[in-house]
Amino acid sequence: GNSVTQMEGPVTLSEEAFLTINCTYTATGYPSLFWYVQYPGEGLQLLLKATKADDKGSNKGFEATYRKETTSFHLEKGSVQVSDSAVYFCALSGTGGSYIPTFGRGTSLIVHP
Amino acid sequence: DAGVIQSPRHEVTEMGQEVTLRCKPISGHDYLFWYRQTMMRGLELLIYFNNNVPIDDSGMPEDRFSAKMPNASFSNLKIQPSEPRDSAVYFCASSLNKNIQYFGAGTRLSVL
Repeated sequence: GNSVTQMEGPVTLSEEAFLTINCTYTATGYPSLFWYVQYPGEGLQLLLKATKADDKGSNKGFEATYRKETTSFHLEKGSVQVSDSAVYFCALSGTGGSYIPTFGRGTSLIVHP
Repeated sequence: DAGVIQSPRHEVTEMGQEVTLRCKPISGHDYLFWYRQTMMRGLELLIYFNNNVPIDDSGMPEDRFSAKMPNASFSNLKIQPSEPRDSAVYFCASSLNKNIQYFGAGTRLSVL
């Protein structure tokens, strides 16, 4: 079946540091890939997505590139802010005739001033 | 649109009581999902509906859990009787584009 593996957190950074959160997946076919973000006390919301190999999704300074050869979709940001502190979820969908997303366990990011 | 609306935001109840969680999806969306989030198990899909019809309830943990969607603008999740291990944050999400889900703010349930 489908699965998503994310690096364990928490990831703790100082403001303006470079961020990478690793995500790898296992799936049949060619899934769409997503990053969702969950701010404290809120539900998940879509951060960015990519629908085919080599696509780059980007939003709010975050980027992730769909790497089919390494089955990865790592999230990056060049300079994090305190307001980026949240839990980040990698997800995939659209394989085997199912559009129901498979989510990773989530990675907590804590950014200090 | 106001987004997915869940109520209540917080629920505290005693073991054995019935709990009802409510969800209003985004107007026009044809899929509705119920999730449970805990530190131990992460985000779990409990059940989802398409056009008000339950499609897959294999994630519902026990017969104590039930969910209905009587119309396109409302769904509820019931736990009867509730147990302390049901304590979690319950999310409702809806979708029109089958790839992107829109989540509500969640209901934090504490069963004492």
